[in-house]
Amino acid sequence: NAGVTQTPKFQVLKTGQSMTLQCAQDMNHEYMSWYRQDPGMGLRLIHYSVGAGITDQGEVPNGYNVSRSTTEDFPLRLLSAAPSQTSVYFCASSYSRGFGGANVLTFGAGSRLTVL
Amino acid sequence: AQKITQTQPGMFVQEKEAVTLDCTYDTSDPSYGLFWYKQPSSGEMIFLIYQGSYDQQNATEGRYSLNFQKARKSANLVISASQLGDSAMYFCAMRENPHAGGGNKLTFGTGTQLKVEL
Repeated sequence: NAGVTQTPKFQVLKTGQSMTLQCAQDMNHEYMSWYRQDPGMGLRLIHYSVGAGITDQGEVPNGYNVSRSTTEDFPLRLLSAAPSQTSVYFCASSYSRGFGGANVLTFGAGSRLTVL
Repeated sequence: AQKITQTQPGMFVQEKEAVTLDCTYDTSDPSYGLFWYKQPSSGEMIFLIYQGSYDQQNATEGRYSLNFQKARKSANLVISASQLGDSAMYFCAMRENPHAGGGNKLTFGTGTQLKVEL
């Protein structure tokens, strides 16, 4: 049981390049999301999905696209990378989209992106 | 206004001592959840403990307990008998009752870096 798998772990891009961060979970989780972590700012929500075919914006969505064609996969696309997108990116999933109980978010190991 | 405030950027504690990491939150929603996550230097996010706003008792998980003071809107993490392996960044987070379709969204604080010393 792999949990939440993110690839790549490290990536260096030049300004203006595009790329996709991959996220896959094998827990049949309904809910998936992407966060970015910057020094001194904690984790901030970029986009999330409450099920296949359904996505929505979080707190900091600009410059990012997502899609959810399957339950398992939730890729994050950077359309035209900027130095401000240098960050550590985390994918997280939970069994349910809802509020009942803890419904703990399980995080991937993170992807460190540097934009030059 | 910040929804989650962690006022201690860094903390030191001696091994085997207890330590309290502070967290205050701001919400007008009567139904919410509070979480603590640990992030060691390796970078992964590890769930520690959860407290629901309607839970009557403070949550406990092994050496971790959550000191939940609802009227003060605080949710402090207490680590008893600190170990060297507890050295890490600790994040407090809140989930407010989502509106329809809102999903399982967490708002995180800025974290507290804990260093356990011999």
